Amino acid sequence: IVLTQSPATLSLSPGESATLSCRASQSVTNYLAWYQQRRGRAPRLLIYDAFTRATGIPARFSGSGSGTDFTLTISSLEPEDFAVYYCQQRRNWPWTFGQGTKVDIK
Amino acid sequence: EVRLVESGGDLVQPGGSLRLSCAASGFTFTHYWMTWVRQAPGKGLEWVANINQDGSTIDYVDSVKGRFTISRDNAKNSLYVQMNNLRPEDTAVYYCARDLGDYTNYAAYWGRGTLVTVSS
Repeated sequence: IVLTQSPATLSLSPGESATLSCRASQSVTNYLAWYQQRRGRAPRLLIYDAFTRATGIPARFSGSGSGTDFTLTISSLEPEDFAVYYCQQRRNWPWTFGQGTKVDIK
Repeated sequence: EVRLVESGGDLVQPGGSLRLSCAASGFTFTHYWMTWVRQAPGKGLEWVANINQDGSTIDYVDSVKGRFTISRDNAKNSLYVQMNNLRPEDTAVYYCARDLGDYTNYAAYWGRGTLVTVSS
């Protein structure tokens, strides 16, 4: 299953909201996760099963969608949120990631 | 606190072999699926291999099938990957990750990674 993320880059200011998209080449039902990767760091699980926040993830991160179209929303960007975000499906092996969306400071 | 520490990354020539290790602590190792994920320099993430709690179920992405072998030693709380016939396209940071739980196949905890460079 191919996951296509858009946009490739999102340039925003702290305090603005971010909307990231992930589209699957076939239905993944709700078996989709979002990860954040800060520069030089390992990825961190943010959202799983499309909309469930992982332990310790702030409420400003929210996920939605099902089937083939998914969205990660970050309301009111904090400085530490500027990073690369990946979606991942676990509907069909091999589990696959999108190519990433970079959220950078405008 | 969950802790995963990878080791074994190195510079190796094409066709060579390398074994990566991941030392796990802070959780009951025998309760979780474990995973290797890799990231080529400046590129995205690729899920490489999975292994279940007792090592009886293993999956590989096609690009490493027949060359990589994932394994675990539950007595040592350790995960491994034996990489043979390495290719330049295997150059990446290799992350060890722990499943969220109940075979959810989401990588909930990650190590810091170990760099494998395949080059002559």
